[in-house]
Amino acid sequence: DAMVIQNPRYQVTQFGKPVTLSCSQTLNHNVMYWYQQKSSQAPKLLFHYYDKDFNNEADTPDNFQSRRPNTSFCFLDIRSPGLGDAAMYLCATSREGIGNEQFFGPGTRLTVL
Amino acid sequence: AQSVTQLGSHVSVSEGALVLLRCNYSSSVPPYLFWYVQYPNQGLQLLLKYTSAATLVKGINGFEAEFKKSETSFHLTKPSAHMSDAAEYFCAVSHMNRDDKIIFGKGTRLHILP
Repeated sequence: DAMVIQNPRYQVTQFGKPVTLSCSQTLNHNVMYWYQQKSSQAPKLLFHYYDKDFNNEADTPDNFQSRRPNTSFCFLDIRSPGLGDAAMYLCATSREGIGNEQFFGPGTRLTVL
Repeated sequence: AQSVTQLGSHVSVSEGALVLLRCNYSSSVPPYLFWYVQYPNQGLQLLLKYTSAATLVKGINGFEAEFKKSETSFHLTKPSAHMSDAAEYFCAVSHMNRDDKIIFGKGTRLHILP
């Protein structure tokens, strides 16, 4: 089945220790997204790629970076995680065009010790 | 600016009772609207979407939603709640100027009482 895959599902890191979360997709969608979701809140868009075009949200901290080496893969790098970065990180994909839904991966739960 | 408002951060219904989750939108152009469901420790899954083809939209798991322009609403309903419907539900609208973004409501946690 075509899908969005996130690895790992659970990630534990230490305060200030860099961490990378990965996302892959078999849907061949040209748009990929990274969201941060804290408990009992809506997903918050961090950035997204429209093909290779990187779009950063204005309020995304500099501590967060992303890479998309090809259509299928996208990475979220957190350079120096703080306690406030503990959250669920969701990857999503969509085809370009208004009205198209986003397809979400299962998420990576990040714990910062 | 476009937005969605979900009335009630928590809704409780008895098993077998009607489920009604409310969503009102604000948009200066005809909107595309979505309902997503999120089970604990999982990603979001699309329940249904409105793209102007029909005002009554049927989705998965027995859910449906009706687009009412006069009321700027897109409420989600299910005739008979099941224990497995307990989850977080998000209403969302397509961003007017960016066809690659959607705007989420704050979510409604649905509790099913036995």
